[in-house]
Amino acid sequence: DTAVSQTPKYLVTQMGNDKSIKCEQNLGHDTMYWYKQDSKKFLKIMFSYNNKELIINETVPNRFSPKSPDKAHLNLHINSLELGDSAVYFCASSQTTDNQPQHFGDGTRLSIL
Amino acid sequence: GENVEQHPSTLSVQEGDSAVIKCTYSDSASNYFPWYKQELGKGPQLIIDIRSNVGEKKDQRIAVTLNKTAKHFSLHITETQPEDSAVYFCADGSSASKIIFGSGTRLSIRP
Repeated sequence: DTAVSQTPKYLVTQMGNDKSIKCEQNLGHDTMYWYKQDSKKFLKIMFSYNNKELIINETVPNRFSPKSPDKAHLNLHINSLELGDSAVYFCASSQTTDNQPQHFGDGTRLSIL
Repeated sequence: GENVEQHPSTLSVQEGDSAVIKCTYSDSASNYFPWYKQELGKGPQLIIDIRSNVGEKKDQRIAVTLNKTAKHFSLHITETQPEDSAVYFCADGSSASKIIFGSGTRLSIRP
């Protein structure tokens, strides 16, 4: 059974479009995250949510809007896509916020044409 | 601010030899250091972690050491095998609700 699953795996779209990435975890964790991995493999936190509440927003443009309908889901909506948004986006979860291992999904590769 | 430096960026070792990846962190209050392995097309997977109340932890062929005074921690893989080829990330997981990752090491195992 997949612990953290995100869809779609690949997303190719035009500049200026709006798109969403979905994430679900079946681990019963309280905390969920979005990370961005650039072409040089550098991984950077974007958002974290605990019990559906936003905890961290790491100076991400407001074109990116996460939504957590419940503890098991954290979706990412992106408006007005730009070339620089091309990257691999990873969803992750952990049991709580403090010093806990994080479990990652397999990523969504977003390519902007 | 928080920072994790990782070296080397690429590492090639003969199958059966050992591999060592080193990291330094900046916040002296940091106390949790996970290591992740990322295979092609997959997300990072936790392989081992260490907390600041211990200096070394071992799990079969993988070990991690921590030097709090120097703010260094290292990953050691012994008897390397082809399936060890991947990108490895050290991290500082001490901040509430986020992980600060190192820049990654691409490890290649030569047959």
